[in-house]
Amino acid sequence: DAGITQSPRHKVTETGTPVTLRCHQTENHRYMYWYRQDPGHGLRLIHYSYGVKDTDKGEVSDGYSVSRSKTEDFLLTLESATSSQTSVYFCAIMGAPDNSWANVLTFGAGSRLTVL
Amino acid sequence: SQELEQSPQSLIVQEGKNLTINCTSSKTLYGLYWYKQKYGEGLIFLMMLQKGGEEKSHEKITAKLDEKKQQSSLHITASQPSHAGIYLCGADSGDDKIIFGKGTRLHILP
Repeated sequence: DAGITQSPRHKVTETGTPVTLRCHQTENHRYMYWYRQDPGHGLRLIHYSYGVKDTDKGEVSDGYSVSRSKTEDFLLTLESATSSQTSVYFCAIMGAPDNSWANVLTFGAGSRLTVL
Repeated sequence: SQELEQSPQSLIVQEGKNLTINCTSSKTLYGLYWYKQKYGEGLIFLMMLQKGGEEKSHEKITAKLDEKKQQSSLHITASQPSHAGIYLCGADSGDDKIIFGKGTRLHILP
């Protein structure tokens, strides 16, 4: 794999509880992204980061916050989880694969979150 | 804001048949990505297109970006069970935001 890991991979929580998902990379890439994937909606961008402490909102950022205190870690926090946030969350990093000049997204394996 | 529309949403084809998936953008594309996702798994990078008229192939999969850079097609020749999954197109919508279409679900019948 490209050196990107997500944790936890599965989590079940209750409405109103805080949840933090972690994305860790070993590639030293500048850009990191958080997406959620839902049936009928495809892949939607939540937040992204273009450097340490530099983040911006995506298409569906309400109810989510992010932090990036170091290059390798990008955290996604649900301050008070709701059932509508039940989803599969994917982290991605942007960088050039070996022997390539083009930047591409490499995705983590996903984190399945269920909010009861 | 830029939107990507994929068609068809779902596709069922007999093994051995050819098929095409389309991705249409509401704005000019400056980089178009194609990814494949096996059911319940992560996304795998297939190809990236940047130039109008560009065409790339990998094994039996060919992707093209039209001259006006607002539409891309993904063509699979002689489909196999291993081609089954969800195909997603993605693009840079500006400010390094990478957005995706809703995906096309491909089923291959033996």
